[in-house]
Amino acid sequence: GENVEQHPSTLSVQEGDSAVIKCTYSDSASNYFPWYKQELGKRPQLIIDIRSNVGEKKDQRIAVTLNKTAKHFSLHITETQPEDSAVYFCAASTLGGGSYIPTFGRGTSLIVHP
Amino acid sequence: EADIYQTPRYLVIGTGKKITLECSQTMGHDKMYWYQQDPGMELHLIHYSYGVNSTEKGDLSSESTVSRIRTEHFPLTLESARPSHTSQYLCASSGTGGVGYTFGSGTRLTVV
Repeated sequence: GENVEQHPSTLSVQEGDSAVIKCTYSDSASNYFPWYKQELGKRPQLIIDIRSNVGEKKDQRIAVTLNKTAKHFSLHITETQPEDSAVYFCAASTLGGGSYIPTFGRGTSLIVHP
Repeated sequence: EADIYQTPRYLVIGTGKKITLECSQTMGHDKMYWYQQDPGMELHLIHYSYGVNSTEKGDLSSESTVSRIRTEHFPLTLESARPSHTSQYLCASSGTGGVGYTFGSGTRLTVV
């Protein structure tokens, strides 16, 4: 089955700095890579996703890049703000295929210091 | 508004009690899931369902059971609660092929 490794487990940055979270996956059949943000006491919410036919996707201050050859994908947050503090989960799945249930990374706790 | 709803949000219960955590969705999704999550930590899939009358066990062994009698409803039951069951339980749903994966707000269970 799929295995997703996520690093780092904790990331501490100053407000205004950039933050990068990296994930690797093992199943070359995976074609969908969502990122979820979970604020303290709240549900995980989808913030951005990327499909395997795209190398990069941006949405304001967040972006995701995918390297299919190396089987890794990354979340980039620029100009971080205190409200970006949360746990971020990456995931990999095969949309429309047998492995459509996402395999989640173990999460990264991002702390943005004012 | 289409969403996935979990009740109760918080529950404190004594050891040995039987409890049912409710999960309902108005997303029109056919697939539903239950996760166990300790605070700020990884998500463990404990049960999932492809559709009505379908239930499967997930990656994490759990003493809970689930049922899927209606498409929109996926309750989780603990026959005899123990302190080791103290955790947050998240319900999720998705459409065909895994599209639109959405989580509920969770039930935080404490067994004393």
